[in-house]
Amino acid sequence: GENVEQHPSTLSVQEGDSAVIKCTYSDSASNYFPWYKQELGKRPQLIIDIRSNVGEKKDQRIAVTLNKTAKHFSLHITETQPEDSAVYFCAASLYGNNRLAFGKGNQVVVIP
Amino acid sequence: DAGITQSPRHKVTETGTPVTLRCHQTENHRYMYWYRQDPGHGLRLIHYSYGVKDTDKGEVSDGYSVSRSKTEDFLLTLESATSSQTSVYFCAISPGQGAVNEKLFFGSGTQLSVL
Repeated sequence: GENVEQHPSTLSVQEGDSAVIKCTYSDSASNYFPWYKQELGKRPQLIIDIRSNVGEKKDQRIAVTLNKTAKHFSLHITETQPEDSAVYFCAASLYGNNRLAFGKGNQVVVIP
Repeated sequence: DAGITQSPRHKVTETGTPVTLRCHQTENHRYMYWYRQDPGHGLRLIHYSYGVKDTDKGEVSDGYSVSRSKTEDFLLTLESATSSQTSVYFCAISPGQGAVNEKLFFGSGTQLSVL
């Protein structure tokens, strides 16, 4: 089955700087790649997703890029703010497959 | 937030006892999922349902069973709880329109401790 890995496991950034989290996946047939954010003690929530037919997607301060050849995708957060501090999970699946494979999560800490 | 309610929110039980967690949705979504979250392991799928009485196993299904007799309810049962099942359990739902895995909406979670 699909195997998703996230790097780095923990990332500390100064407020206002950019943060980048990278995920790699194993199944070249996967074509849907969402990112979920989980604040301390809260539920995971979808923040952005991308399909394999596009290389980049943006939503305000966050963006996701996909490199199908290298089988990796990345989350970019610009102008980081304290409320961006959270655990971020990437995931991958094949269209029509009922199973999302999640990575183990990245802890992002924004230092004021 | 999507209408998902998990109960109980917290539970402490003893090894060997059966435990049932409930997930209730008011969104009429077709797909429902049970995940467990453990430090260092992220979110792992236990079981999922793609319709009433239609369920399938996830990656960590041993020791768990599920039932879905109504669209709105998805029950997770630990047949004989073990300490390794101490975890936070999340229910999730998905509309299942188009790509079935898109846009998972999670419940608030159940913290289960098995002593």
